[in-house]
Amino acid sequence: DAMVIQNPRYQVTQFGKPVTLSCSQTLNHNVMYWYQQKSSQAPKLLFHYYDKDFNNEADTPDNFQSRRPNTSFCFLDIRSPGLGDAAMYLCATSMGSTDTQYFGPGTRLTVL
Amino acid sequence: AQKVTQAQTEISVVEKEDVTLDCVYETRDTTYYLFWYKQPPSGELVFLIRRNSFDEQNEISGRYSWNFQKSTSSFNFTITASQVVDSAVYFCALSEEVGVDSNYQLIWGAGTKLIIKP
Repeated sequence: DAMVIQNPRYQVTQFGKPVTLSCSQTLNHNVMYWYQQKSSQAPKLLFHYYDKDFNNEADTPDNFQSRRPNTSFCFLDIRSPGLGDAAMYLCATSMGSTDTQYFGPGTRLTVL
Repeated sequence: AQKVTQAQTEISVVEKEDVTLDCVYETRDTTYYLFWYKQPPSGELVFLIRRNSFDEQNEISGRYSWNFQKSTSSFNFTITASQVVDSAVYFCALSEEVGVDSNYQLIWGAGTKLIIKP
């Protein structure tokens, strides 16, 4: 089945220790998104790629970076995680920007 | 100003009752898209429905139905004969053009937590 896969499902890191979250898709979609979702809140868009074109949200902290080496994979790098970065990180894909976004299962990040 | 309003923070009903989740949106665009997603306790966001602004037909899918009314800027979601497995947070979202280059982004409501008691 075509899908969006995120690894790992649970990630524990230490304060200030860099961490990388990964997302892959078999849907062959053009657009990939990274969202941050904190408890009892709606998802918050961090950035998205339309093909190789990177779009950063204005309020996304510099601490967050992203890479999309090919159509199928996208990575979220948190350079120096703080306690406030503990959250669920959701990856999504869509064919175009007006199309339905399909989400992966998410990675729950804990910062100690 | 909030563009997508889900006024019901939490709803609790007994199994088999019908329940309606409200969603009111605000946009100046003539072309836009509306969505509903379900987020069970596992955390994954599950797509339920997409509607474009030119299609006001109501939709029924099994026990789920959606009522889209442009006159009141509402896109409400009804679950008939609710089941315990329907317990989740439900998000309504609006996709509208942001900036230039036909770039659309999702604007999310705050979500409604639905609790179905056995």
